[in-house]
Amino acid sequence: AQSVTQPDIHITVSEGASLELRCNYSYGATPYLFWYVQSPGQGLQLLLKYFSGDTLVQGIKGFEAEFKRSQSSFNLRKPSVHWSDAAEYFCAVAFNAGNMLTFGGGTRLMVKP
Amino acid sequence: EPEVTQTPSHQVTQMGQEVILRCVPISNHLYFYWYRQILGQKVEFLVSFYNNEISEKSEIFDDQFSVERPDGSNFTLKIRSTKLEDSAMYFCASSVGLSADTQYFGPGTRLTVL
Repeated sequence: AQSVTQPDIHITVSEGASLELRCNYSYGATPYLFWYVQSPGQGLQLLLKYFSGDTLVQGIKGFEAEFKRSQSSFNLRKPSVHWSDAAEYFCAVAFNAGNMLTFGGGTRLMVKP
Repeated sequence: EPEVTQTPSHQVTQMGQEVILRCVPISNHLYFYWYRQILGQKVEFLVSFYNNEISEKSEIFDDQFSVERPDGSNFTLKIRSTKLEDSAMYFCASSVGLSADTQYFGPGTRLTVL
């Protein structure tokens, strides 16, 4: 079955440290890939997306993600985390043109001062 | 910047009651969606809607659920007879087109069924 996995439920990093959030998917072809962020009490905000082309995509708030076909991964990175980045991050994929998004379980990021 | 809005932000209802959750998608968007997130669980797709018809729905979206676009701006999700397990955050989303176009999400409605 098609699925999305975010192996890390919680991650804590120090402010100014680098960050990598992992996302793996299971599907026979290349899906459309997204990262969303959810701050407490807020909706889901799109950080970035990959449809095709350059496998390193840039997003808002200084985030980037790299699609690696061989590893079926789409990991999110940020070189220097800010306290305001504390939130829950969701990887999502669309496996077909029907546009239904399948979400991973989310990774809750905490930032230490 | 245009955004998806949802009302109410929090709805409390008794088991067996009908609820209607309301959404105003972004004005030039043509595709509309409902998702839900039970506390501590994944965000799950419920239904997508285009041209006044359901285009795709999940197993969760059974006969207790219905969607409607009653006018040119609103998009509603109705749950006919709520159950305790319907308690969740419900998110509305919209997109301009299909083929995995970007979906923009609203802030959600927290539904609590007592």
